[in-house]
Amino acid sequence: ELKVEQNPLFLSMQEGKNYTIYCNYSTTSDRLYWYRQDPGKSLESLFVLLSNGAVKQEGRLMASLDTKARLSTLHITAAVHDLSATYFCAVTNSGNTPLVFGKGTRLSVIA
Amino acid sequence: ETGVTQSPTHLIKTRGQQVTLRCSSQSGHNTVSWYQQALGQGPQFIFQYYREEENGRGNFPPRFSGLQFPNYSSELNVNALELDDSALYLCASNPGTGVYNEQFFGPGTRLTVL
Repeated sequence: ELKVEQNPLFLSMQEGKNYTIYCNYSTTSDRLYWYRQDPGKSLESLFVLLSNGAVKQEGRLMASLDTKARLSTLHITAAVHDLSATYFCAVTNSGNTPLVFGKGTRLSVIA
Repeated sequence: ETGVTQSPTHLIKTRGQQVTLRCSSQSGHNTVSWYQQALGQGPQFIFQYYREEENGRGNFPPRFSGLQFPNYSSELNVNALELDDSALYLCASNPGTGVYNEQFFGPGTRLTVL
């Protein structure tokens, strides 16, 4: 059974600081996704990572994938308040199979 | 905007009632999945439909059922509502094939069971 663990579950960051969110998954997967969710809202797609060593960046967020370690990271650079949200990683086994989500990391960026 | 719409936005029901939630997928997406997200939790997979046939099911009882129609719309039906069914219900559509085969989520329906 595919399981996904994220840590930390809660993160309070100061503006301007850097931090990393970790996502571990239990079995082989061919796709890993990162989503952002604002309170009361739906999921916004951030990154899709397909292959070992994949790295994608958008603004202050950078995601990477290590398929051998079954680990993905979401790195936040010089955090700003607008990044406050809950971040989920999700994984599929293969093909057209459903997503298995982690519990999410609730990020709060404070001045 | 993902092109995936859901209705209604909010819904309040009482225990024991039945509810139907609706989703309209992106045009051309032949796969739709439904997820339940309880407060403070990650989304949990309910079931998936591919070309109008159920293609996979999560750990949900039979009182959760669904339909997918040829016009890219779908329904989630829940019978005999329980208090624990209170959650955000998300539908997501994807092409079913392709390198990314990314799921695009609708805005969700917030269901409250009293």
